[in-house]
Amino acid sequence: EAAVTQSPRNKVTVTGGNVTLSCRQTNSHNYMYWYRQDTGHGLRLIHYSYGAGNLQIGDVPDGYKATRTTQEDFFLLLELASPSQTSLYFCASSDEVQAPLFGEGTRLSVL
Amino acid sequence: DAKTTQPDSMESTEGETVHLPCSHATISGNEYIYWYRQVPLQGPEYVTHGLQQNTTNSMAFLAIASDRKSSTLILPHVSLRDAAVYHCILRVNSGGSNYKLTFGKGTLLTVTP
Repeated sequence: EAAVTQSPRNKVTVTGGNVTLSCRQTNSHNYMYWYRQDTGHGLRLIHYSYGAGNLQIGDVPDGYKATRTTQEDFFLLLELASPSQTSLYFCASSDEVQAPLFGEGTRLSVL
Repeated sequence: DAKTTQPDSMESTEGETVHLPCSHATISGNEYIYWYRQVPLQGPEYVTHGLQQNTTNSMAFLAIASDRKSSTLILPHVSLRDAAVYHCILRVNSGGSNYKLTFGKGTLLTVTP
């Protein structure tokens, strides 16, 4: 069954902390995406990737790095977390034909 | 930077047929129209998509204007579990083989008994 799994589901860190959010898809999809969702803004694209080693900048990339280590795994890195990065983060995967599939989300709080 | 425009909210009553509009006046010829819905604390769930022709599935009917500048998601006989934020998005070709998915704020559909 097609799936996008995010971990952790919840994370609390302090300002200046180092955080890695993980996303794994088992759908053999080429595209993977990281979004953040905040009240009043909808889902905003941070980074996305077309295959292992590929990285594309999204619409709100500042303060975030990402790495696509394999076709299955896409990581979002916050190296100096700030309170403005407190948000709900979603990962998604897709191919050229099928509709994108989303994970359940990671709730991040930066204190 | 969203390329779609939707009303912020709509209200309905159980059993009604709901029409959710979406404007995408600058859509390109090869961009697909996708609809997702999302309930609190969960990821967006795929509803339907289309390119030019109207489409239907077990969840909804998608009506696409002949000029493709707008579309309407039609939900027949809504129930309380249809209450959600409905997102109309375009699959944007950002160049080469890369396809961005850009969301707007969506329409919050409330359903009352």
